[in-house]
Amino acid sequence: GAGVSQSPRYKVAKRGQDVALRCDPISGHVSLFWYQQALGQGPEFLTYFQNEAQLDKSGLPSDRFFAERPEGSVSTLKIQRTQQEDSAVYLCASSLRRDRGHQAQPQHFGDGTRLSIL
Amino acid sequence: AQSVTQPDIHITVSEGASLELRCNYSYGATPYLFWYVQSPGQGLQLLLKYFSGDTLVQGIKGFEAEFKRSQSSFNLRKPSVHWSDAAEYFCVMTTDSWGKLQFGAGTQVVVTP
Repeated sequence: GAGVSQSPRYKVAKRGQDVALRCDPISGHVSLFWYQQALGQGPEFLTYFQNEAQLDKSGLPSDRFFAERPEGSVSTLKIQRTQQEDSAVYLCASSLRRDRGHQAQPQHFGDGTRLSIL
Repeated sequence: AQSVTQPDIHITVSEGASLELRCNYSYGATPYLFWYVQSPGQGLQLLLKYFSGDTLVQGIKGFEAEFKRSQSSFNLRKPSVHWSDAAEYFCVMTTDSWGKLQFGAGTQVVVTP
């Protein structure tokens, strides 16, 4: 497909379980972002990749959160020992690299994974 | 601290009426500004963007936004709303070199017949 694809769309897990969320960015997009959207709030930045390099992980809420993009395309967000406060929609976005004019490229978002922790 | 503020959590508008959504930002320079829309069960869609130049920008679906440096505002407008415009609207800015987005809290728009 032409858009950003995320799977699964919905994930229910028991507290303490590990989960893995997948993101397939648009082909050719160098930049990949993960955001967390709690109910009734705007998305909040988690982490950023440029190709396979994780350049910013300042938004990850704890060391239970881990993200990777080993081949510079598909990315996985892993949450270990899930807690109820991890319940949220996790959004992935991709964009072209900033061009030589230093204009930030618009980000294209997937439909998100809704994670519910029981 | 950098921030994006959307003062209106919820707006109700009649179909065919005009719509204006407010957005203020706090940053020491001019950021890159965007408006995104999120419809129920769907992903975020970019409506329009402002980087520099003409302060009145046109977007998709008949939306426009005006950047006012003196007021640190970037308000979104539409002259005549359609029922399909019911959604959550986010004012967004980016200031860092990677393009990390900072979202406002969102404004929920309800369209009545």
